[in-house]
Amino acid sequence: NAGVMQNPRHLVRRRGQEARLRCSPMKGHSHVYWYRQLPEEGLKFMVYLQKENIIDESGMPKERFSAEFPKEGPSILRIQQVVRGDSAAYFCASSPPGLFTDTQYFGPGTRLTVL
Amino acid sequence: RKEVEQDPGPFNVPEGATVAFNCTYSNSASQSFFWYRQDCRKEPKLLMSVYSSGNEDGRFTAQLNRASQYISLLIRDSKLSDSATYLCVVNSEGGATNKLIFGTGTLLAVQP
Repeated sequence: NAGVMQNPRHLVRRRGQEARLRCSPMKGHSHVYWYRQLPEEGLKFMVYLQKENIIDESGMPKERFSAEFPKEGPSILRIQQVVRGDSAAYFCASSPPGLFTDTQYFGPGTRLTVL
Repeated sequence: RKEVEQDPGPFNVPEGATVAFNCTYSNSASQSFFWYRQDCRKEPKLLMSVYSSGNEDGRFTAQLNRASQYISLLIRDSKLSDSATYLCVVNSEGGATNKLIFGTGTLLAVQP
């Protein structure tokens, strides 16, 4: 059973460009979470999605950031007009449906570098 | 005050030593508690969940004190491979949101 998959693993963008980060949850998992880890800091929650629904986006910056988890295909975290401060590791996690959904399994992350 | 606080370390210990990490959390409504391990430039990996009754997995023992809002992790007989950052993690409120709140981590370096 493959784990959580993320791609690309490394992404370099120039200021003003768009970044698209993809996450495929573990098989059978319908809950996806995105976290950001800035250099030398802890992970910070960004958004929690279920298929076709955003459940909690309280950690998402108000502008330039969006996330989706369509019925088919991976979850996408999209950052428009990137700035240097967006440089970070972005981790996706997934959990299964049902009552005990609080155990989250993390993907290898996408390291975004903004030049 | 941070929602989850940990001593950042580093903890430098010799192989075979016993080491203890502590963590406090501020939200008394938190329902679930975990220790994750993160190796340098890697993703966090679940080490163990933490229960009020305390739980043990091999050389690792976790304890939760809800009254004091305090979580601990004890590692016995440290191995070189235990060197990593240990993250104290709390589910923010339980219920529907499932948002995990991470401490900044405690760095452990086990020396030969």
